Amino acid sequence: DAKTTQPPSMDCAEGRAANLPCNHSTISGNEYVYWYRQIHSQGPQYIIHGLKNNETNEMASLIITEDRKSSTLILPHATLRDTAVYYCIVQKMKTSYDKVIFGPGTSLSVIP
Amino acid sequence: DTAVSQTPKYLVTQMGNDKSIKCEQNLGHDTMYWYKQDSKKFLKIMFSYNNKELIINETVPNRFSPKSPDKAHLNLHINSLELGDSAVYFCASSGGRAGTQYFGPGTRLLVL
Repeated sequence: DAKTTQPPSMDCAEGRAANLPCNHSTISGNEYVYWYRQIHSQGPQYIIHGLKNNETNEMASLIITEDRKSSTLILPHATLRDTAVYYCIVQKMKTSYDKVIFGPGTSLSVIP
Repeated sequence: DTAVSQTPKYLVTQMGNDKSIKCEQNLGHDTMYWYKQDSKKFLKIMFSYNNKELIINETVPNRFSPKSPDKAHLNLHINSLELGDSAVYFCASSGGRAGTQYFGPGTRLLVL
């Protein structure tokens, strides 16, 4: 079973911020939060990851609560091309010996 | 330059046939994976290889046999194909300090 829970679907108006929540209440101290997205028919694409501090890159921001039991991925200005399934997963930094489990994710629809 | 490539992109075959899917990564990563994404869109890990050594072998029928001739390649051979093998198969790789996985474009297998 996946170690994370996410809402199955969300809508967001184009140009607005998309805030995608994720619960990971059983996360252990050496596990990171990773976000990927899968645009229809393509391979999953890495977005961002973090341990306990908030992170930002050119694609998105990641806000992790102080207790690390939940996080929010923020796409600051959603575009139609951001329509995709977004996966939140927890994993140790080195994945070789760690079975990464993808849940069903959140299907984000960006609406014109 | 394509980081993780898979061939073929599409594969249509009859039940009972044997087929192979090839994966190559030019990222210099030590770890490679095979995932299966079924019609319900769940992404499930099948195998993980680190430096040509099998690390993770999920509950996959022994008709599926991965082979890693070198660090840059991980092939998947499937014997006696069944209808339930129809899915999209993704190859991925990871390496370096971060556990980020880079996915290939997928191979769409249809067994008739």
